[in-house]
Amino acid sequence: DAGITQSPRHKVTETGTPVTLRCHQTENHRYMYWYRQDPGHGLRLIHYSYGVKDTDKGEVSDGYSVSRSKTEDFLLTLESATSSQTSVYFCAISAGYTKTDTQYFGPGTRLTVL
Amino acid sequence: AQSVTQPDIHITVSEGASLELRCNYSYGATPYLFWYVQSPGQGLQLLLKYFSGDTLVQGIKGFEAEFKRSQSSFNLRKPSVHWSDAAEYFCAVGANFGNEKLTFGTGTRLTIIP
Repeated sequence: DAGITQSPRHKVTETGTPVTLRCHQTENHRYMYWYRQDPGHGLRLIHYSYGVKDTDKGEVSDGYSVSRSKTEDFLLTLESATSSQTSVYFCAISAGYTKTDTQYFGPGTRLTVL
Repeated sequence: AQSVTQPDIHITVSEGASLELRCNYSYGATPYLFWYVQSPGQGLQLLLKYFSGDTLVQGIKGFEAEFKRSQSSFNLRKPSVHWSDAAEYFCAVGANFGNEKLTFGTGTRLTIIP
C-alpha cells in the first residue's frame, strides 16, 4: 500500500468555522490530489498539486483552498464550512513522471458540517 | 472534456456466478482507463488499468477488463465472484496527455448473495 495518511479521519464542525484537512505521504511523489465523494456523484477533483507551491483547480474548487509547502504534505482548507461541504474527502498521490503513472488513494476523511 | 458513465447503480449476484460491470467513456482520443474498488469505509484500490496494447487487461483478485474502442467501453468481468467482492466499483478515465486529472464514474455497488 502507498504510504498515505489523512488526518483527521473524522470531523464534525459547525457552519461558518474554518476546517483544515491534512494529507501526508511518505512516497516522495510529485502529484497530490484532493477529491470529494458524494452519493450519486462518484469522486470529483477539488484541487491538485504538481509540486511544492504548484497547485491548480479541479472540477469543484469553489469554497476550498490548498497549500503545499513540503513535498510530503498537502493541506485542504475550507475557509468557512457550509453544510454542502459535508462529504468524504480523499487524498491521492501519483509519481507524475510518466503519463501512465497511477493514482493511489488515502483512507479518507469523513467531514460533517452541522 | 472526458466523461464516464456507469449505467448500473446497484448489481446483485450470487456467490460463484459470473460478473460484468459496465463502463462507457467519452473522450476524443485514446483514453487511459482504470477500475478501482472501494470496500465499505475504505479508500480506493486499483484493480487494473489500460493504457495501450492488448485490449484485454488482467488485474488483481481475478478481475479482467476489455477495452472496446468501437463501443467506447471498458467493462469489468470476473468469472466467479466471492463474498469478499462485495464493494463499490468505480471506472475512471484519464486524458492521454497526462495523468493529472481523472474523471470518475458514479460507481456500481455490488452485493453478493449466498
